[in-house]
Amino acid sequence: EADIYQTPRYLVIGTGKKITLECSQTMGHDKMYWYQQDPGMELHLIHYSYGVNSTEKGDLSSESTVSRIRTEHFPLTLESARPSHTSQYLCASSEPGPGDTQYFGPGTRLTVL
Amino acid sequence: AQSVTQLDSQVPVFEEAPVELRCNYSSSVSVYLFWYVQYPNQGLQLLLKYLSGSTLVKSINGFEAEFNKSQTSFHLRKPSVHISDTAEYFCAVSPLSGGSYIPTFGRGTSLIVHP
Repeated sequence: EADIYQTPRYLVIGTGKKITLECSQTMGHDKMYWYQQDPGMELHLIHYSYGVNSTEKGDLSSESTVSRIRTEHFPLTLESARPSHTSQYLCASSEPGPGDTQYFGPGTRLTVL
Repeated sequence: AQSVTQLDSQVPVFEEAPVELRCNYSSSVSVYLFWYVQYPNQGLQLLLKYLSGSTLVKSINGFEAEFNKSQTSFHLRKPSVHISDTAEYFCAVSPLSGGSYIPTFGRGTSLIVHP
């Protein structure tokens, strides 16, 4: 079954640690995205990719980085986590076509102490 | 640029009652319109979308939304809600032209269905 996976689902870490949030999809989609979600706020796009070796920053300033070496894999890395990074991170991919319907992973809830 | 306003942050309703979740948008170009639903501890999933044609679109679980171009609205309705409809609902728009199709999301409306 085609799907999109994120690991870990929950992560609690101390300030200054380097972390990587994993995202993989089995649908063969070229376009992938990372969003930050906080309660009562819009989803904010932090990174996106239109295919292998293509990455762009979104509309929300972020200290994270991404890579796209394989179509199915789009990890997000924080070199030095801070309490301000505490949030829910959602990964998505989209199928080609009008409007590009997005398919979301279950999210990673990150808490930085 | 586009923006999406969901006028209600929370909508409490009793089971089997009708519900309307409101969504207004602004855009300098024509847009596609979406409603996504997020159940607890899950990611968002598409509920329904308007691309073109009939302005009334329906989902498989009884929700419907009507595109009103003059009022720039895309309100979501259901005539009779169930407990299982309790979730966060997000309205989103993406531009018809420009090629990127990256959506802009609203802040979400929490639908709480009481027994």
